[in-house]
Amino acid sequence: DQQVKQNSPSLSVQEGRISILNCDYTNSMFDYFLWYKKYPAEGPTFLISISSIKDKNEDGRFTVFLNKSAKHLSLHIVPSQPGDSAVYFCAANTQGGSEKLVFGKGTKLTVNP
Amino acid sequence: EAGVTQSPTHLIKTRGQQATLRCSPISGHTSVYWYQQALGLGLQFLLWYDEGEERNRGNFPPRFSGRQFPNYSSELNVNALELEDSALYLCASTGRWQGTGELFFGEGSRLTVL
Repeated sequence: DQQVKQNSPSLSVQEGRISILNCDYTNSMFDYFLWYKKYPAEGPTFLISISSIKDKNEDGRFTVFLNKSAKHLSLHIVPSQPGDSAVYFCAANTQGGSEKLVFGKGTKLTVNP
Repeated sequence: EAGVTQSPTHLIKTRGQQATLRCSPISGHTSVYWYQQALGLGLQFLLWYDEGEERNRGNFPPRFSGRQFPNYSSELNVNALELEDSALYLCASTGRWQGTGELFFGEGSRLTVL
């Protein structure tokens, strides 16, 4: 049973436009959500996170939106740059738990110059 | 400051053999996590070690095991290798103060089982 779902395996956008990556979750106990970025031959690196007490968190070009009622979160990248081309993983956690992050399968973002 | 380091980068084994993967966490980090990323799948949680103890394990058979040493480095052992064990094995570490789940990953060890 996949608790964190990224239904789009890939996404292609033009440089300068907005990239929107989506993530759905099923476990209502999740209360902390993270996005990781992974380049080929590298380990994932933390990008941005959001607590369930918020519905938006912004860090430069990256904004994460959380809709708890829909159990949905999204990552917006504006403007998209070719260097943003990577696989993006959505992950969820329960604070105070074992810190066992549950990851989605990832979405491969390609930003075309 | 050095990041999480993993060795070997690549490992080729045959079915039935054993594989040992190693991980050194970031200096000062006490928790080590192991994840498996098989082709087409996300990161699957394998094991969590903290202060030398196994704290949690994912839904993997007992032939996946490991340990954490007094210097907080860790070893993942996979016995009786099967073809489906071919995957990228990622190690990550956190400090004791990080309860939010932000993990620092190594570059991974690619295991190929023939």
